[in-house]
Amino acid sequence: GAVVSQHPSRVICKSGTSVKIECRSLDFQATTMFWYRQFPKQSLMLMATSNEGSKATYEQGVEKDKFLINHASLTLSTLTVTSAHPEDSSFYICSARLQGINEKLFFGSGTQLSVL
Amino acid sequence: QKEVEQNSGPLSVPEGAIASLNCTYSDRGSQSFFWYRQYSGKSPELIMSIYSNGDKEDGRFTAQLNKASQYVSLLIRDSQPSDSATYLCAAGLGGYNKLIFGAGTRLAVHP
Repeated sequence: GAVVSQHPSRVICKSGTSVKIECRSLDFQATTMFWYRQFPKQSLMLMATSNEGSKATYEQGVEKDKFLINHASLTLSTLTVTSAHPEDSSFYICSARLQGINEKLFFGSGTQLSVL
Repeated sequence: QKEVEQNSGPLSVPEGAIASLNCTYSDRGSQSFFWYRQYSGKSPELIMSIYSNGDKEDGRFTAQLNKASQYVSLLIRDSQPSDSATYLCAAGLGGYNKLIFGAGTRLAVHP
C-alpha cells in the first residue's frame, strides 16, 4: 500500500517554542491531507483539512494562528505548533488521501509531542 | 451530540467468540463508513469500509450498515488475542468528505 511518512516521531520541547511536523506522501500525490490530534485514550480529533495550494480549513475550536498548516506541494504538508504549551502535548497524526477516495486514506506513523 | 458515537468499552470476549462493535452517527448525509483498528501508540489501520445498507464480509470481519437507524456495526468472528485493540468507527462528512472518528471501543480478547 501507499506510504505516508511523518517526521519526527517524537519531540520534546520547552514551553514557548515552535515545533514543525512534516507529512509526506512517498509514492502518490495527495491533493488533500488531514491533521488529527489524539489525547491519551481518546479518539482522533480532526484539526484541519489541508489542500495543496490553498489555505487549510480548520475545524471549530482549532486556532489557525497556533496550528499553522502549509501544503505547498502534492507530497508535503507541514503542521507547525507555535508557542507550544504543556496542554498542546498530544499525539499528532497526518493522513493523505489519494484521488479523493476515503478508502485510499493513508496515515502517517504519528508524532508524540511533549511540551515541558 | 457527537457526530460519531461508540461505547468506549472495554469489551471483553473469550478467544474464539464473536465480538460485536457498534457505532451510531448523527449526519444523515454521511455516505461512507469505515472501521479502523488502532494499537496503542500506533496509527489506525483500515479494516473495512461500507457504503450500502446491509452486510459486507471480509474474512473474519463483517460490517453492517443501517442508514435508516444511522447505525454501523462490526462483527469479528473467531476472535483472537491479536485482535485486542481499539476499534474506531468513522464516517465521511462534508464537502471534503473528511473522516470523523468515534471515540473508539477497546476490545480485549482473552485466551
